[in-house]
Amino acid sequence: DSGVTQTPKHLITATGQRVTLRCSPRSGDLSVYWYQQSLDQGLQFLIQYYNGEERAKGNILERFSAQQFPDLHSELNLSSLELGDSALYFCASSVGGTYGTEAFFGQGTRLTVV
Amino acid sequence: GENVEQHPSTLSVQEGDSAVIKCTYSDSASNYFPWYKQELGKRPQLIIDIRSNVGEKKDQRIAVTLNKTAKHFSLHITETQPEDSAVYFCAASGSDFGNEKLTFGTGTRLTIIP
Repeated sequence: DSGVTQTPKHLITATGQRVTLRCSPRSGDLSVYWYQQSLDQGLQFLIQYYNGEERAKGNILERFSAQQFPDLHSELNLSSLELGDSALYFCASSVGGTYGTEAFFGQGTRLTVV
Repeated sequence: GENVEQHPSTLSVQEGDSAVIKCTYSDSASNYFPWYKQELGKRPQLIIDIRSNVGEKKDQRIAVTLNKTAKHFSLHITETQPEDSAVYFCAASGSDFGNEKLTFGTGTRLTIIP
């Protein structure tokens, strides 16, 4: 167990819908990262938050948004879903800042768009 | 931004032999290089990492080497066992603001032949 919790584990939804994925980082970690992994593909960086503020942005679609709340949990919102959005979405957390970037991953949310 | 290339994409070795996976990175500001192991449908798990002030690090059957001049780092697994079969990802990150995110290589599918 990495200490990073993601919910839900599985999500099946229809095209055009909107979903919210949730991530609770390890205790003491201030940075949260979101990654997308399509079938048999690599890990594509979406976005990073550090202590409530957006820190870095990858190739995140405009239909996707995220935030980190005062209790440091983070949510990734995916809207106007398309079939191609089906993927494993991972959240990772690290201490962040200048203390190194050793990151631990949650178990992921498997999103299936039908 | 950072770009990480990883080779080979697939690797099959006889049980007991050694496996080597190689990565190159582009951003000279990167200073942290972890390796993750991902089993099918599971989360990526950190197996070993190295920082830029170190040239080599070893943990039992696993070792990582770093050549900062060539921007090249490698994972070495000796005395391979069936449970080493998985996808391995290299990654690179820095510690500057906005550069802490992990940029991953495309992965190597390692198969250990009994």
